Amino acid sequence: DAGVIQSPRHEVTEMGQEVTLRCKPISGHNSLFWYRQTMMRGLELLIYFNNNVPIDDSGMPEDRFSAKMPNASFSTLKIQPSEPRDSAVYFCASLRIGTDTQYFGPGTRLTVL
Amino acid sequence: QQPVQSPQAVILREGEDAVINCSSSKALYSVHWYRQKHGEAPVFLMILLKGGEQKGHDKISASFNEKKQQSSLYLTASQLSYSGTYFCGTSANQAGTALIFGKGTTLSVSS
Repeated sequence: DAGVIQSPRHEVTEMGQEVTLRCKPISGHNSLFWYRQTMMRGLELLIYFNNNVPIDDSGMPEDRFSAKMPNASFSTLKIQPSEPRDSAVYFCASLRIGTDTQYFGPGTRLTVL
Repeated sequence: QQPVQSPQAVILREGEDAVINCSSSKALYSVHWYRQKHGEAPVFLMILLKGGEQKGHDKISASFNEKKQQSSLYLTASQLSYSGTYFCGTSANQAGTALIFGKGTTLSVSS
């Protein structure tokens, strides 16, 4: 079975540019999470969706960040405009509601110059 | 609200044991343990539920003290493959809700 798929795996961009990260959850999973990982702050939850509906976006740092889940098999996290402090590894995870295990994707390493 | 993990880092020789602790100031429903190797995604190890029993597989086990809101991960007779960063993720609600992760404990096992 395919796991959580994220793209791109690496992204290098310049300050001010728009960045879009993509995630495909495991088939049959109906809950999706976006995390950001940095050395200083560890793994932080940004936003999560249940059945494509955003449930908690209190972790989204500011208005420059937005996330969508147009259908059960696709989600995007967009940063516009990007800033150097956004540099981090962004993980997407999914699970089937009613179970307890989140499965993480391989992550996208974002570098903003 | 973020759980506190201790110690921050552990250095072991193969065959030695280690304990990693995770404490929360909130009442918890569950504690999840993950291991992350450098450059890879976190991988689920096990979950401890409120009212549940101590769990384990192979030489890795964990417990959950509800009175203290603390979980401990026990690594016995460590192997080189145990090296990585261990995270606890906590939830105050029932299954399927978001986790709040600690900052991690880095475990280095050498031969």
